[in-house]
Amino acid sequence: RKEVEQDPGPFNVPEGATVAFNCTYSNSASQSFFWYRQDCRKEPKLLMSVYSSGNEDGRFTAQLNRASQYISLLIRDSKLSDSATYLCVVNRGGAGGFKTIFGAGTRLFVKA
Amino acid sequence: EPEVTQTPSHQVTQMGQEVILRCVPISNHLYFYWYRQILGQKVEFLVSFYNNEISEKSEIFDDQFSVERPDGSNFTLKIRSTKLEDSAMYFCASSRLAESYEQYFGPGTRLTVT
Repeated sequence: RKEVEQDPGPFNVPEGATVAFNCTYSNSASQSFFWYRQDCRKEPKLLMSVYSSGNEDGRFTAQLNRASQYISLLIRDSKLSDSATYLCVVNRGGAGGFKTIFGAGTRLFVKA
Repeated sequence: EPEVTQTPSHQVTQMGQEVILRCVPISNHLYFYWYRQILGQKVEFLVSFYNNEISEKSEIFDDQFSVERPDGSNFTLKIRSTKLEDSAMYFCASSRLAESYEQYFGPGTRLTVT
């Protein structure tokens, strides 16, 4: 089982749609959680950190459920520029040492 | 806005040659990282570096890899004897505080081993 799992998609949505991505992690020693976006052949760019209380940044809302080991990202009113791959990222500590684990990403295409 | 920078943007080398990839982290950041991404695959952690020593390294980071902060601003990744399978995008990242904080990535160096 992969340590961080995401639905690879692709998600094809029209402009203005609301789309939700999910991510699950398997290691209970995971400590901090993030969503990044990555455009084709570019570096990952931090979108937002994810907290148990939930956090919102404009059209983006992220949520963490530690009990279920589940992270979500909601994008409202999708724009063409939201087309990218969304990466779920988990930092974990524990006996194996501290590591940053990336999910394989979920591809989003927003169409006019 | 401060950025992580990397040079070169593209490096082509022959199998068996040594390469050094360079990064300038954000100036007030204390933790530095290298990642690689093979084309079409996910981003993979290689190594983290703090206080002039390696904090953690992955199974990928074997004896052919080394990192160094030679002059207080640059952070380098050296691959001693490149293999074809080292062809990938290499990203440098930095974070201001502990490893659990947000990491900011450079634009990457595309390494092609022929």
